[in-house]
Amino acid sequence: GDSVTQMEGPVTLSEEAFLTINCTYTATGYPSLFWYVQYPGEGLQLLLKATKADDKGSNKGFEATYRKETTSFHLEKGSVQVSDSAVYFCALNHQSGSARQLTFGSGTQLTVLP
Amino acid sequence: GAVVSQHPSRVICKSGTSVKIECRSLDFQATTMFWYRQFPKQSLMLMATSNEGSKATYEQGVEKDKFLINHASLTLSTLTVTSAHPEDSSFYICSARLAGNNEQFFGPGTRLTVL
Repeated sequence: GDSVTQMEGPVTLSEEAFLTINCTYTATGYPSLFWYVQYPGEGLQLLLKATKADDKGSNKGFEATYRKETTSFHLEKGSVQVSDSAVYFCALNHQSGSARQLTFGSGTQLTVLP
Repeated sequence: GAVVSQHPSRVICKSGTSVKIECRSLDFQATTMFWYRQFPKQSLMLMATSNEGSKATYEQGVEKDKFLINHASLTLSTLTVTSAHPEDSSFYICSARLAGNNEQFFGPGTRLTVL
């Protein structure tokens, strides 16, 4: 079945460092790909998404490109801030029965130090 | 917009009791709601998908008689953990989706601890 493999954490960076969180997927067909962020004590929020190959999703300085040839959707940010500290989830959605469902990676805890 | 709430945020109960968790879409009508379970440092695992007014569809391995899901209105779904045991302790997260929209909006989660 469909699956998402995500870089294990935790990841600790200094403020203004470059961030990469790797994500690869296995899927039949052409899923949409997502990055969600979970701040402490809060629910998951959609950070960015891409719906087809070579699409680049971007938001709040974060970017990820849908690479079909490498089945990857790595998350990057050029200069992280303390406020970016959170858990990041890579996900794909696929059709199952009558509903489109999400399959999540295991999550990567990011801590940014001042 | 697109806010989903869960209640309670945290619950502790004794083994053998039942616990109900509510999931509400506050500013939109959710034709489909999803229930997930998340163990510490693990991914979210889909438990069931519920469409308003119909029976929930459970994922393989999820006991439908133990995890009762009701989606009686377009803004409310409930998950009842019946006869809870310590192994049911987990973080339960719901999400809601608008009709014709692919995006899911997530609640803040409910931490269940069964003693």
